[in-house]
Amino acid sequence: GAGVSQSPSNKVTEKGKDVELRCDPISGHTALYWYRQSLGQGLEFLIYFQGNSAPDKSGLPSDRFSAERTGGSVSTLTIQRTQQEDSAVYLCASSFEGGSSYNEQFFGPGTRLTVL
Amino acid sequence: AQSVTQPDIHITVSEGASLELRCNYSYGATPYLFWYVQSPGQGLQLLLKYFSGDTLVQGIKGFEAEFKRSQSSFNLRKPSVHWSDAAEYFCAVGGHPNDYKLSFGAGTTVTVRA
Repeated sequence: GAGVSQSPSNKVTEKGKDVELRCDPISGHTALYWYRQSLGQGLEFLIYFQGNSAPDKSGLPSDRFSAERTGGSVSTLTIQRTQQEDSAVYLCASSFEGGSSYNEQFFGPGTRLTVL
Repeated sequence: AQSVTQPDIHITVSEGASLELRCNYSYGATPYLFWYVQSPGQGLQLLLKYFSGDTLVQGIKGFEAEFKRSQSSFNLRKPSVHWSDAAEYFCAVGGHPNDYKLSFGAGTTVTVRA
């Protein structure tokens, strides 16, 4: 079946602009995660959605970052007033159930964001 | 707080030779441990995972890893490397049992020479 998809695959923007990154999880997966992968760094947890529960936003680095998940499926990560340090690969993952890392997370190919 | 260290940033290995990638973790309880592989332009793919039981776990693509609690390590091994194993490898630790956040190491890039 189809895996996790993300769009766009690449995004180049100017400092100060807003960007939206999209994630389509695997159908039927209730949990959705966003991670950020900066150059030379491991993945950094950003936000977690599980069903209708309030999202865990504890990993968002600043209030310029926000995310929503509509209808329990597609998610959008929005970065306002982008800064050069926001340049990274943003990865989305989904799992059949949430609540524990026991549930395998399936990753999308990522969106490479470059802020000039 | 949980954390993962991958001491080797880059490893070069000859095709057919053995490979070992090191991973050390810090976690206050029994960890869930994972190895992921990321090929260029691809998302992360799970190679193997350890939750409990037998400390030697087998994964896909001929990889295995051994959990050593005394050393806080979870090293990844493959007896004979193929050119297609060139990729970046990430070790990750998850909480137990309700911590869904994975903490990743910085990754090890593997280059395979002919």
